[in-house]
Amino acid sequence: GIQVEQSPPDLILQEGANSTLRCNFSDSVNNLQWFHQNPWGQLINLFYIPSGTKQNGRLSATTVATERYSLLYISSSQTTDSGVYFCAVIAGGTSYGKLTFGQGTILTVHP
Amino acid sequence: GAVVSQHPSWVICKSGTSVKIECRSLDFQATTMFWYRQFPKQSLMLMATSNEGSKATYEQGVEKDKFLINHASLTLSTLTVTSAHPEDSSFYICSAPTGGRAGANVLTFGAGSRLTVL
Repeated sequence: GIQVEQSPPDLILQEGANSTLRCNFSDSVNNLQWFHQNPWGQLINLFYIPSGTKQNGRLSATTVATERYSLLYISSSQTTDSGVYFCAVIAGGTSYGKLTFGQGTILTVHP
Repeated sequence: GAVVSQHPSWVICKSGTSVKIECRSLDFQATTMFWYRQFPKQSLMLMATSNEGSKATYEQGVEKDKFLINHASLTLSTLTVTSAHPEDSSFYICSAPTGGRAGANVLTFGAGSRLTVL
């Protein structure tokens, strides 16, 4: 099956700093989503981005499908950004809805 | 936006008992829902696909007799952990496609249910 690798595994920032999270995947995809899992476990949709670039406030994401990677940018980080960030994909040709998750990036933002 | 509601958010039970977790789509219909499991400090793994009006399909290695799934209506799927044991303790999360015109592949997740089996 498709492999999803996220880096870095852990990231510690001071409030106000910028960061880039990376997601590499081993095969073509027809879905890629970025999620933020808060301390209570809730998965929050950040982006649906199988290709291209999107921005939402301080967050933006870019997926280069031909090179099989996606980047999540967080600017001016805040303590509330802390949590685990997951990249998840659905491989091309896979039954819809079957997301394969990466191992996540644990982000800690200190005040 | 579309909301997936999951209940209970946490449950503690004795070994050998059964526990039911509900997943509801609010204000939209979901003919398919997906159940994931997450162990502490690990990623999410798909357990099964719940299909309204037909049997669920399980991923390899998931015991269908232990994890009973019923998709009773277009807005409700339930996961029953039967004869639970401590190794079944985990975080269970459901999801449903909510992409609308953006595509059925966009998944929205419930808040999750944390199961602790004593």
